[in-house]
Amino acid sequence: GQQLNQSPQSMFIQEGEDVSMNCTSSSIFNTWLWYKQDPGEGPVLLIALYKAGELTSNGRLTAQFGITRKDSFLNISASIPSDVGIYFCAGPNGVDSNYQLIWGAGTKLIIKP
Amino acid sequence: KAGVTQTPRYLIKTRGQQVTLSCSPISGHRSVSWYQQTPGQGLQFLFEYFSETQRNKGNFPGRFSGRQFSNSRSEMNVSTLELGDSALYLCASSLAGGVSEQYFGPGTRLTVT
Repeated sequence: GQQLNQSPQSMFIQEGEDVSMNCTSSSIFNTWLWYKQDPGEGPVLLIALYKAGELTSNGRLTAQFGITRKDSFLNISASIPSDVGIYFCAGPNGVDSNYQLIWGAGTKLIIKP
Repeated sequence: KAGVTQTPRYLIKTRGQQVTLSCSPISGHRSVSWYQQTPGQGLQFLFEYFSETQRNKGNFPGRFSGRQFSNSRSEMNVSTLELGDSALYLCASSLAGGVSEQYFGPGTRLTVT
């Protein structure tokens, strides 16, 4: 089935560093979603993007909808311990109500002690 | 406002058995979607129910089925369990199935031995 390619698979960073991750697709998406999942919890929506070229921020998080509509990027500035978790990109495959969300495999963020 | 609840949180079953998982959506939400999450695979869409009708279905075998009741609570059933069915099963609720409005429960961790 259709896949979203998310990279990197994992990241080891120092507290205070900036983080970048991306998601690519072989086909065009009209919406890009970024979620974060903490251990033992379900994913939580961070940012939703609806327009090519759109740049949206949520606190220290910034996400961009690529102009080709086949990719998206998520940046986290000045990382803190609570940023640890798995970040997923997702996009809807389908039209109107007849859709399903396609998910990337996730980027695991680990902060070095 | 109570969030999405899933029961049970953990379950251990034997190959060949069947299992039923339950999801109670946020009050007022009419759409419930189910996902299977395995390590390194992201989330795989199983199906979506809206007003007691299955509206979308992912690419899973017929052993996976679901239903939704008039109060929007949903159940999913897996028959003839296989080892590969071991996963975290997540449900997400939304008002009307809108892409950006899915709220996830904590999931049910199913282990098949």
